[in-house]
Amino acid sequence: KAGVTQTPRYLIKTRGQQVTLSCSPISGHRSVSWYQQTPGQGLQFLFEYFSETQRNKGNFPGRFSGRQFSNSRSEMNVSTLELGDSALYLCASSTGTGIYEQYFGPGTRLTVT
Amino acid sequence: AQKVTQAQTEISVVEKEDVTLDCVYETRDTTYYLFWYKQPPSGELVFLIRRNSFDEQNEISGRYSWNFQKSTSSFNFTITASQVVDSAVYFCALSEGYGGSQGNLIFGKGTKLSVKP
Repeated sequence: KAGVTQTPRYLIKTRGQQVTLSCSPISGHRSVSWYQQTPGQGLQFLFEYFSETQRNKGNFPGRFSGRQFSNSRSEMNVSTLELGDSALYLCASSTGTGIYEQYFGPGTRLTVT
Repeated sequence: AQKVTQAQTEISVVEKEDVTLDCVYETRDTTYYLFWYKQPPSGELVFLIRRNSFDEQNEISGRYSWNFQKSTSSFNFTITASQVVDSAVYFCALSEGYGGSQGNLIFGKGTKLSVKP
């Protein structure tokens, strides 16, 4: 089975712009979770989508949003970028039912200048 | 509130030494799940193990072993006969056990392990 893929792998954006990151889960997985990793705050949960519905949400401002498509692919959008949004954004794929573990993609490294 | 503490920020060992990574967690839930992930320099988090709160059996997988103790809220990870390839940042994580809440992993700050030849 192919693993979790994330595109793009690297991004450089300017403050005030918006950005969209994409995540394709493992085939058959219906849940996608997004995490932000920074040196200061560590790994923090953004939100989880299951069958096209947001099921959980972390403590991030409304500038961070996401969606999931019928094929389980997910996108994450950050509007009005701030310098502090520079981070590694990781998405994780899982079955989303029963007891499960999450499998992570390689991440998207976002740099905001 | 749920919390995961990895008190060891960095550990450095020489190859073939045994090393234990500590993890202490806090939760009010009676059902929860604990995880260990490895993050090599490439950045991708690699799943190592999941432990359910209702199963306190320790587990061994090759050179890796995990010691889960509910009495002390700890879930420690031991690497026996460490190798250079074990060098990475290791994260302990916790998720609640009800409904669809497992998708929210609460991570510790991680322990950076350096294994020198």
